[in-house]
Order: sequence, then C-alpha cells, then structure tokens
Amino acid sequence: QVQLQQSGPGLVKPSQTLSLTCAISGDSVSVSGVSWNWLRQSPSRGLEWLGRTYYRSRWFNDYEVSVKSRMGIIADTSKNHFSLQLNSVTPEDSAVYFCARARDLTTPFFDSWGQGIVVTVS
Amino acid sequence: EIVLTQSPGTLSLSPGHRATLSCGASQTLSNSFLAWYQQRPGQTPRLLIYDASSRATGIPDRFSGSGSGTDFTLTISRLEPEDFAVYYCQQYETSPTFGQGTRLEIK
Repeated sequence: QVQLQQSGPGLVKPSQTLSLTCAISGDSVSVSGVSWNWLRQSPSRGLEWLGRTYYRSRWFNDYEVSVKSRMGIIADTSKNHFSLQLNSVTPEDSAVYFCARARDLTTPFFDSWGQGIVVTVS
Repeated sequence: EIVLTQSPGTLSLSPGHRATLSCGASQTLSNSFLAWYQQRPGQTPRLLIYDASSRATGIPDRFSGSGSGTDFTLTISRLEPEDFAVYYCQQYETSPTFGQGTRLEIK
C-alpha cells in the first residue's frame, strides 16, 4: 500500500519560493517505470497537473508549460522523497498542492495521492 | 492542450437511482486514455476508472466507464449515500488535463 505524506509551509510571500516535500512509503522514488507528480487545485483553475520526475537509468523531469520556467522537482533517494520548488510565486499560485504517483510512465493516471497542503501566497 | 468539458455541472439524484456523467474532449483520445476520479469534501481525489473503462482496485462494480473518441461516460448504477461527491475526468493522451468536475448531490 503506497502512502504519500506531504510537508511544507502553508504561507508563502509573493515573489518567494514555494517548497514542498512528498515522502513515500510502500514504494521507491527510484523504481523504474513509475512517475512522481505534483498537482494543484484551486477554485479558479480547477485540478492542474504541474510536473513529474521519474528514473529510467537517469532522472527525467517533465513540466506543464505554464509553470515550466519557474518549477523544479528533485528526488532524494536517501530519504525516499521528492520535492517541488516553485519560484517567484504570486497570489495566483495559491491552491491545494498534491503529490501523486502514476504507476506507468506512458499512461499517467494517478492511483495514489498525498493528503494535500493548502498554500496561500500573501 | 486537450480541454475536457464535463456535463452537467451539477446532478441532483436520489439514492438508489442511476447517475450518468459525461466528459467531452476537444480532441480525439485515440487510445481512450481517460480516467475518472471521485472527490468527497475535504478529501483527495480517488481513482475510479482508467483507460476509459477499467475499474481501479477496490472500486465497487456499480461504477462503470465507457466511451471512445471524444465522448466518455461514467455511470453509477445504483447510488449509495457515499457516492454524493464531485467527479472529475482526466485525459493522459497528452500532458494530463482535467475536466472542471460534476457535482453529484442528493435530491
């Protein structure tokens, strides 16, 4: 049973960097064929996929176009977790942020989710 | 970007009735790479259906998915009290996108 536990601040000032971490139990961040994803949900934008990281002989990242220039995802194999960094945040980045697993790289639907963290940019 | 449009926005039904939720895609999903999620208030989304018609692990058989091309449907055959929630479709034919949701409420 995969469990994802999110941590990070709920309040970030405009222009600063949002950093969140997703700790994995019951699976490995470096297992081949699985991707580890960040999504967010807000009343104005709905559910939105932000990006993913995965390991396939080396690490790869993919990002949604609208956040690509501001976003980074890093995996830490020693702690079995992955992290989101979103730079230069604005109030429009206020949302509930989720981490999630997609068990297949070619068919990224999300079968396990973190509990969500409410992030306010103010 | 593939845009998903869900209808209706809100569906009011009674327990025991049948619910039919629709999801339309702006482009053909040639592989039927479409998933459905349920989100209860204050909870995270829960995967119900993937690949348009495959039930996820532990999902009751009253939930079924169908469709192809640009038109997809989630059917709940006999509504239970715990089924009243918001439902989202998601495509993964290209970079993942979600519909805006259908709220299923008790009539």
